[in-house]
Amino acid sequence: EAGVAQSPRYKIIEKRQSVAFWCNPISGHATLYWYQQILGQGPKLLIQFQNNGVVDDSQLPKDRFSAERLKGVDSTLKIQPAKLEDSAVYLCASSLQGVLEAFFGQGTRLTVV
Amino acid sequence: TQLLEQSPQFLSIQEGENLTVYCNSSSVFSSLQWYRQEPGEGPVLLVTVVTGGEVKKLKRLTFQFGDARKDSSLHITAAQPGDTGLYLCAGLYGKLTFGQGTILTVHP
Repeated sequence: EAGVAQSPRYKIIEKRQSVAFWCNPISGHATLYWYQQILGQGPKLLIQFQNNGVVDDSQLPKDRFSAERLKGVDSTLKIQPAKLEDSAVYLCASSLQGVLEAFFGQGTRLTVV
Repeated sequence: TQLLEQSPQFLSIQEGENLTVYCNSSSVFSSLQWYRQEPGEGPVLLVTVVTGGEVKKLKRLTFQFGDARKDSSLHITAAQPGDTGLYLCAGLYGKLTFGQGTILTVHP
């Protein structure tokens, strides 16, 4: 079974530029999560989707971050404009609806210079 | 905001030693999970505990859920270099909230 796919693996941008990350969850998984993991810290939930609807985006900085999950499958997370403090690993995870176990992708390491 | 505090933050031990990592909160969890994360990879689920007082074993790893469902511990017996990694606890309060993690290094 294929796992959660994320791209790109690495991205370096200058501050004030924009960037987008892509996630393809495990087939059949209705729930999709985006987490931000700053070096030395645990992952912080940015947004949770159930199919193509948003369940929780309370910790998403909506002035600069946006996410969508069109058709309830793939998802993109965008940052515009990026700040230095956005440097982190962005993890995508998916799970079956109502099931506790989340499967994570390898993440995208973003460096903002 | 529910907070999960893990301790210690860093742990450096020799191969063969035992260790315990703790996860505490002032809130009651509906369930708690432990994940292990290696550099450059996403977290991988080790165990889910649901019932207060529950103990689960996974080879040399023993997971315990507190009776009041506010705390949990992970005990590793006879640690090996392959156990090196970031250990994360995560509580389910409707959404999955992670602690800050414990970085474990096991030296040969």
